[in-house]
Amino acid sequence: SQKIEQNSEALNIQEGKTATLTCNYTNYSPAYLQWYRQDPGRGPVFLLLIRENEKEKRKERLKVTFDTTLKQSLFHITASQPADSATYLCALDMGGGFKTIFGAGTRLFVKA
Amino acid sequence: DAGITQSPRHKVTETGTPVTLRCHQTENHRYMYWYRQDPGHGLRLIHYSYGVKDTDKGEVSDGYSVSRSKTEDFLLTLESATSSQTSVYFCATHPGTGETGELFFGEGSRLTVL
Repeated sequence: SQKIEQNSEALNIQEGKTATLTCNYTNYSPAYLQWYRQDPGRGPVFLLLIRENEKEKRKERLKVTFDTTLKQSLFHITASQPADSATYLCALDMGGGFKTIFGAGTRLFVKA
Repeated sequence: DAGITQSPRHKVTETGTPVTLRCHQTENHRYMYWYRQDPGHGLRLIHYSYGVKDTDKGEVSDGYSVSRSKTEDFLLTLESATSSQTSVYFCATHPGTGETGELFFGEGSRLTVL
């Protein structure tokens, strides 16, 4: 079955730097891959989606890449701010409809 | 934002008792999901529904049942709660149209089984 691996260690960076989070998956390449943000005690919130035929997608300070050969997506936050501190979840379609599976997430801390 | 309300938001119960969590949505979304979130495991799909009275199992469905008698409500039932079902439960929805699976989440229901 499809598995998603995200770095379980928290990422600590300084304000203004670029944060890079990694998402690896194990089996078939999905038609698209999603990134969500989750704050403590809240539900996840959708951020970005990238399709299998797209190499890169940008939205304001966010950038996502998708490498189907490596079975990997990278999520970048440029000019990071303390307000970016949260857990970031990678998600992809299980196939057969709108069934989504999630990685365990990577916790990001941005220090002022 | 999709209007998704979960109830109760917090519940403490004892092993062996039945528990029902409710998810209510006001967006007329066709698909509804129940996930549980545990440290180290992330979000795991329990059950989902692709229409009224149409449901299917997810990856961790044992010990859970669901029902959807109306578009707006999706109930998750633990017939006899166990300590391993202590978790935070999230409901999510999807319109059921479009090409992509962007989900809208509720705020979660924290369940503690003693």
